[in-house]
Amino acid sequence: ELKVEQNPLFLSMQEGKNYTIYCNYSTTSDRLYWYRQDPGKSLESLFVLLSNGAVKQEGRLMASLDTKARLSTLHITAAVHDLSATYFCAVASNTNAGKSTFGDGTTLTVKP
Amino acid sequence: NAGVTQTPKFRILKIGQSMTLQCTQDMNHNYMYWYRQDPGMGLKLIYYSVGAGITDKGEVPNGYNVSRSTTEDFPLRLELAAPSQTSVYFCASNLSDRTYYGYTFGSGTRLTVV
Repeated sequence: ELKVEQNPLFLSMQEGKNYTIYCNYSTTSDRLYWYRQDPGKSLESLFVLLSNGAVKQEGRLMASLDTKARLSTLHITAAVHDLSATYFCAVASNTNAGKSTFGDGTTLTVKP
Repeated sequence: NAGVTQTPKFRILKIGQSMTLQCTQDMNHNYMYWYRQDPGMGLKLIYYSVGAGITDKGEVPNGYNVSRSTTEDFPLRLELAAPSQTSVYFCASNLSDRTYYGYTFGSGTRLTVV
């Protein structure tokens, strides 16, 4: 059974600081997703990581994937208030149907 | 282009009642999924479908049923609602299982069973 663990679950940051969210998963997979969820809203796809060493960047967020370590990171650079949200990683099953197993999410609060 | 549309957005059910959560997508996606999100938790897969007429159970299917008679529609049926089914339900879709994009999610249905 595929298990996905994120840490930390809660993160309070000062504006302008850097931090990293970690996503570990238990079995082999060839694709990993990062999603953003604002309070009371739906989920929005941020990144898809498809291979070992993949790195994707969008603004102040950068995601990377190490398939050998079964680890993905989401790095936040110079945080701003608008980045406050819950971030989920999701790992796709290597069998068909594209089913994803989600982590419990990291709730990020960026304070002035 | 509406994407994934879920109705209703909110619903309160009494224990033992039944209801259907509607999900429609207009992107011609073959793959559709139902997830539930409990407070402070990640999403758990209830049922999924890889095309019209094909459905299968996910991680937490008990108490639910689905059907997929068309590519566009993937309704989720709750029979004999229980308080444990209080949750936010998300429908999601994708073109295939090997795309370069994540799921497209609907806006969710917040269900309370009292």
